[in-house]
Parts: sequence; C-alpha cells; structure tokens
Amino acid sequence: DAGVTQSPTHLIKTRGQQVTLRCSPKSGHDTVSWYQQALGQGPQFIFQYYEEEERQRGNFPDRFSGHQFPNYSSELNVNALLLGDSALYLCASSLDAYEQYFGPGTRLTVT
Amino acid sequence: AQSVSQHNHHVILSEAASLELGCNYSYGGTVNLFWYVQYPGQHLQLLLKYFSGDPLVKGIKGFEAEFIKSKFSFNLRKPSVQWSDTAEYFCAVTAHTGGFKTIFGAGTRLFVKA
Repeated sequence: DAGVTQSPTHLIKTRGQQVTLRCSPKSGHDTVSWYQQALGQGPQFIFQYYEEEERQRGNFPDRFSGHQFPNYSSELNVNALLLGDSALYLCASSLDAYEQYFGPGTRLTVT
Repeated sequence: AQSVSQHNHHVILSEAASLELGCNYSYGGTVNLFWYVQYPGQHLQLLLKYFSGDPLVKGIKGFEAEFIKSKFSFNLRKPSVQWSDTAEYFCAVTAHTGGFKTIFGAGTRLFVKA
C-alpha cells in the first residue's frame, strides 16, 4: 500500500503566479483534506473533498480552490500567489472523515 | 470559533522522565480528539485517538491520553520517555459541525536528552 502521495515535493514560484498541487489518497479512502502548515505552526485546514464536492472549508480566500476526481485523487490550486502562501501543504485522506492519513507534503516557496 | 491550545511550545526532558503535554479545545458539541506526532524528516503520524467510550485511550509506543470533558482537555502522557521520542506533537480536534473540520494546535516540540 503506497499510502498518501503528493507531488511535487518542492516548488518555487513567483508572486502573482498560479500553482497546482496534487494528491493521491491511500487505497480505499474516499475523502481528501488539504492543510497549510506554516513554519513553526500546526496545520491549518483549507478544505475537504468528498464525492467530488467541497464538503467543508476553512478560513482561506477564494484564491485557494480544489478539485477531486472520480478516482478520489485531488488537486489544490492557488491563484495570485503571495509571499505569505509559502508553507508546507499537506494532503490527508480518510474513509470516514475522522481518522486521517497524511502525505509527506509539498513545500511551496513564493519569491 | 473552534480552537485548540497546546500549553507548551518546547519541552526538554532527560531519558526516563515522565511526559505530560497539555491540550485544551474550545467547542461545545461532539468532538473526536487526536494526537499526531511528526518525527524529524517524517510526515505526520497518528499516535492515538478518542471517539467515545473509555476516556483513557492508549496509543502506539506507550503513549496514552485522557479525555476530561468537563475541562475540554485531552492531555498526552508517557511514563518514561526515550531519546527516540524526540519529535513534534500536535493535538487535533474534529468537530461535528455538519461537516468534518479538523483543527490542530500549534504543536509542542519535545527534545529528549540521552
């Protein structure tokens, strides 16, 4: 079992650009949640996808959007990047939306 | 708004010392409670969880946590730490709000001296 995988591992972007991060859930899981973890802080909930719909959203602007595909994989898109968007972006998958399994994360640096 | 507060940001202990990390949350409804650990260079892993039933839950590697509903607390304990317990520990709460939104604390960085 491959567990939760994320790509890419690292990414460097310039302010104003757009970025897409990808996540493949653990086998058998149908729910994907995305988190932003800034340096020295705990993960902050961005949103959760279930059955290809956004089920729950945290306090993030509309620049953050996502998608879930029929195979349960997911993408996180961030438009008009700001320096403050630099962080580790974590994907977590679950079957029942409670016990989540985390991926290794994508480190995004905005310059 | 829901929030999770971890009392200690940094803890330094010697091997064999006892550990207790505090966690309090603010939410009046039904919650599920978790402790996650992040070892250096590794991703977040589940240590233990509380959904219902016995408020004293046991997790991996000798960790346990006690849910005290009246105090909105879920403290993590280990009787005797090892050098390999050096890691960052996160308390997390999933609130039943019509959806499933998980809030994490800021984390406690534990360093165990050999």
